[in-house]
Amino acid sequence: EAGVAQSPRYKIIEKRQSVAFWCNPISGHATLYWYQQILGQGPKLLIQFQNNGVVDDSQLPKDRFSAERLKGVDSTLKIQPAKLEDSAVYLCASSLGQGYTEAFFGQGTRLTVV
Amino acid sequence: SQQGEEDPQALSIQEGENATMNCSYKTSINNLQWYRQNSGRGLVHLILIRSNEREKHSGRLRVTLDTSKKSSSLLITASRAADTASYFCATPPRGYSTLTFGKGTMLLVSP
Repeated sequence: EAGVAQSPRYKIIEKRQSVAFWCNPISGHATLYWYQQILGQGPKLLIQFQNNGVVDDSQLPKDRFSAERLKGVDSTLKIQPAKLEDSAVYLCASSLGQGYTEAFFGQGTRLTVV
Repeated sequence: SQQGEEDPQALSIQEGENATMNCSYKTSINNLQWYRQNSGRGLVHLILIRSNEREKHSGRLRVTLDTSKKSSSLLITASRAADTASYFCATPPRGYSTLTFGKGTMLLVSP
């Protein structure tokens, strides 16, 4: 079974630039999560999709972050414009159900904003 | 807001010893899940215990859940250097579907 795919693995951008991350969840998984993990901290949920609808985006900085899930499958997370404090690993995860079953994580995208 | 909190923040042991880490949470839950994260990589699911279960085993892992105290413990027996990682608990609140994590316990197992 293929895992959760994320790209790119690494990205370095200057502040005020824009960046986009892509995630392809495990086939058949209805729930998709995006997390931000700053060095030394636990993953912080940014947004959760159930199919192509948003379940929770309460911690998504909507003035600069946006996310969409195309046809309930792939998802993109965009930051525009980036700030220095956005430097983190962005993790995508998927699961069959909404928090009732295990989540499978991708390897993450390490973003450095300089 | 953060639902689960792991304790201790860091734990250092020798190979062969047992490692115990704890998770406390605030509200009623559907289940509690433990994940492991090796340095710089994604999280890996270890074990899920449902709110009506008290203990669960998986290989060298033993998880207990005490819903009256809103706490869980993860025991790794006969630890190995490869167990060196950060361990997180995730506690979806009852009635909600959000999977949130604490700050984790960083475990170092020395040869």
